[in-house]
Amino acid sequence: GAGVSQSPSNKVTEKGKDVELRCDPISGHTALYWYRQSLGQGLEFLIYFQGNSAPDKSGLPSDRFSAERTGGSVSTLTIQRTQQEDSAVYLCASSPHQGNGYTFGSGTRLTVV
Amino acid sequence: KNEVEQSPQNLTAQEGEFITINCSYSVGISALHWLQQHPGGGIVSLFMLSSGKKKHGRLIATINIQEKHSSLHITASHPRDSAVYICAFGGSQGNLIFGKGTKLSVKP
Repeated sequence: GAGVSQSPSNKVTEKGKDVELRCDPISGHTALYWYRQSLGQGLEFLIYFQGNSAPDKSGLPSDRFSAERTGGSVSTLTIQRTQQEDSAVYLCASSPHQGNGYTFGSGTRLTVV
Repeated sequence: KNEVEQSPQNLTAQEGEFITINCSYSVGISALHWLQQHPGGGIVSLFMLSSGKKKHGRLIATINIQEKHSSLHITASHPRDSAVYICAFGGSQGNLIFGKGTKLSVKP
């Protein structure tokens, strides 16, 4: 597609449930990033994929968070046993090269009740 | 101390005013980004610059690498410019490290 596509756009889940968030980057973009923005807070880096290299998971806040990127394209961010503090907008971005030409998706708004 | 500091945090302007948003950073960088986040949450990359000045329409971004400072200017501001403006620089792995943003509101 023409842009970075994220789904779902909104997700409401009960505390303790697992959720999966999807990101479909721009075709050909080798770098893919996940960020989150909690209410009233700035953007926070979560995880970064570059080509076939091992992902940089240094931003993941706990071991309940994991992400994978299949075939160098679509990425899924999984949050297990969701907590209320996980409520945030989760943003995905891709770029053709590391650190250059970012395009952001419109985000998934996650609400944990 | 945050690696990226923006000022002001909030800015209200009248339509037509010239607007300046400032960004200071504390580490050496190769490039700095300016992003715009609309009220609906979508983020648009405005500029990536490593030196000098870039202009796109009514937006101008400048950077002084020696002083570790960048500014975003908006000329002839319009209510549709109302958004959060975020500066960011690339971390060692290519991820962005963000400032907390400047919320701009332009009144008609």
